Amino acid sequence: EDQVTQSPEALRLQEGESSSLNCSYTVSGLRGLFWYRQDPGKGPEFLFTLYSAGEEKEKERLKATLTKKESFLHITAPKPEDSATYLCAVQAGGGATNKLIFGTGTLLAVQP
Amino acid sequence: DAGITQSPRYKITETGRQVTLMCHQTWSHSYMFWYRQDLGHGLRLIYYSAAADITDKGEVPDGYVVSRSKTENFPLTLESATRSQTSVYFCASTLRPDPGETQYFGPGTRLLVL
Repeated sequence: EDQVTQSPEALRLQEGESSSLNCSYTVSGLRGLFWYRQDPGKGPEFLFTLYSAGEEKEKERLKATLTKKESFLHITAPKPEDSATYLCAVQAGGGATNKLIFGTGTLLAVQP
Repeated sequence: DAGITQSPRYKITETGRQVTLMCHQTWSHSYMFWYRQDLGHGLRLIYYSAAADITDKGEVPDGYVVSRSKTENFPLTLESATRSQTSVYFCASTLRPDPGETQYFGPGTRLLVL
């Protein structure tokens, strides 16, 4: 069964304290791995798509990496405005759809 | 503004009542999706649609009905609401079913069933 697990469930950082969020997955045929950011009371906002092991993508203080079993979202020198829930999702298998399987998210709090 | 909108944003109803949640997108995306988000479960797919008049079940379809008569609209109906359907509902859309095609989400509807 396709599965996505995110850790930790919650993370509290001081402003400027770098860290990483983990997304481990078990899927039959990865077509893409997605990272989203979700602010309280809002819908998920797209951050990155990764397709194959070894791929990396960056956006401001965020960097996403992918291996054959997991993805990391590295946050460098975070600021309070980076506080949000970060969701990981995978698109797996074949077929003419792009259904996503989501993890339960990591709630990040960055304190000034 | 262009994008994906949902209405209502908040809804309180009673057990047994019929409720319809609306989703509208202005991008002319072919694919549309309905998810529910619950603590401890993350986002789970309820139904999706590949085009007008083409719909299919997702992971948790029981108790829900969808229709898609127009490309831009994808309403979700709870025919007889139950307390277990209290949740936050998100609509999403994507242009094509290609690998890695991004899904864009609406702002959500918070539903409370008493």
